[in-house]
Formats: sequence, structure tokens, C-alpha cells
Amino acid sequence: DVKVTQSSRYLVKRTGEKVFLECVQDMDHENMFWYRQDPGLGLRLIYFSYDVKMKEKGDIPEGYSVSREKKERFSLILESASTNQTSMYLCASSQGFSIGEQFFGPGTRLTVL
Amino acid sequence: QQPVQSPQAVILREGEDAVINCSSSKALYSVHWYRQKHGEAPVFLMILLKGGEQKGHEKISASFNEKKQQSSLYLTASQLSYSGTYFCGSSGGGNKLTFGTGTQLKVEL
Repeated sequence: DVKVTQSSRYLVKRTGEKVFLECVQDMDHENMFWYRQDPGLGLRLIYFSYDVKMKEKGDIPEGYSVSREKKERFSLILESASTNQTSMYLCASSQGFSIGEQFFGPGTRLTVL
Repeated sequence: QQPVQSPQAVILREGEDAVINCSSSKALYSVHWYRQKHGEAPVFLMILLKGGEQKGHEKISASFNEKKQQSSLYLTASQLSYSGTYFCGSSGGGNKLTFGTGTQLKVEL
């Protein structure tokens, strides 16, 4: 059974803290993605990676960075968390060069106080 | 720019049909459909590719009009299990997918 796991379901942080969100997939997929989901705004792409150490900005990369040191792991980093980054964060993975079926993790609900 | 979905929300009685539309302002290579149930991760339904190829589940049907840059998802004989938020995603090629804001579907007895 294919799986994408995320390190936490719920996370509460304070403004200014550095936050790490971890995502691991066990399907040997080349591509990994980070989205944030907000009511009325749908899923918005933050960053994606198509290979180890490779990354590309999505539609809303400001305030975020990512790291992919191993194929199965993709981390989202909030260098200095702010209240407007309170959101649901979803990780996904897919196989192959061209866009294919994406498998999503369960999400991390981050609250920044 | 995100594709535009319509309607934003719809309520059906079990057994009724529904159509969800997705429209993009950019040229499309592919359109993707996902369903997300409350509190769960989005789940893949279908990919429609330029040129007519489709990949997806047997009980879901959809269309892709390349000229109009539109796609429609057809839900027939709806069941309670169809309830959820439906997202379309558009791609102009490559690995990036841009999702719409979603259509909330509720099926009642």
C-alpha cells in the first residue's frame, strides 16, 4: 500500500520560530510537492522537487524554503513563522517526468500564535 | 493563475446527477481531478490529457475541451460516498499542477 507520511498532524508554534515540516514517501517517486490549503483558496503550491537536491518555486514560495537530501524525504522550512502561515500543509508525491497521479499525505495543521 | 471551478457548492439527493466545471485562462496540456473528504487527504480521480487520452477510475467520467480550455467532471447516480470537495488541477506541461478553489458536493438521502 503506497504511503506518504507527514511528521505531525497538528503543530503549534510561536511567531518567529523556525519550523520544520517533514514528509516521507515509500514509493520511490521522483517528484515531491508541498501545498498549503486554506478555506476558499483551494490547494496552492509552495515548492516542488523533481530530484534529490533539485527544487522549483511554486505559486506562493515567499516565507518558505525546502530541502531534499534523500529521494524519499522532502522538508518544508518556515525560517521565521508568522501568523499568516497558519494553515493546513499537504505533502504529495508522484512518479515520472511529466505530471501524473499525486499521492497526498494526511496533512499537518500548523497554528502560529 | 488558478483555474475557476463552478459551481462552488452543490447539494444533491442520492441518485441525482451533477456536473462540475473547470475553466483555465491558460493553454492546457492536462487536467486533473481529485476528491477530498472531510478531514482526509485528496484522492486522485482522473487525468485528461491533450489529445484525448484519459486515465482514471472506471466509474468517473470527464471531458476536456482543449480549445475552450475547459474540463467537466460528470457524477451520475450519485451516492452518499460521493460527498466531498472536488478539485481540478491544470497543467501547461511539466511537473507543476495548479489547483482550483474547489467545489463542495453534498449528497443527501
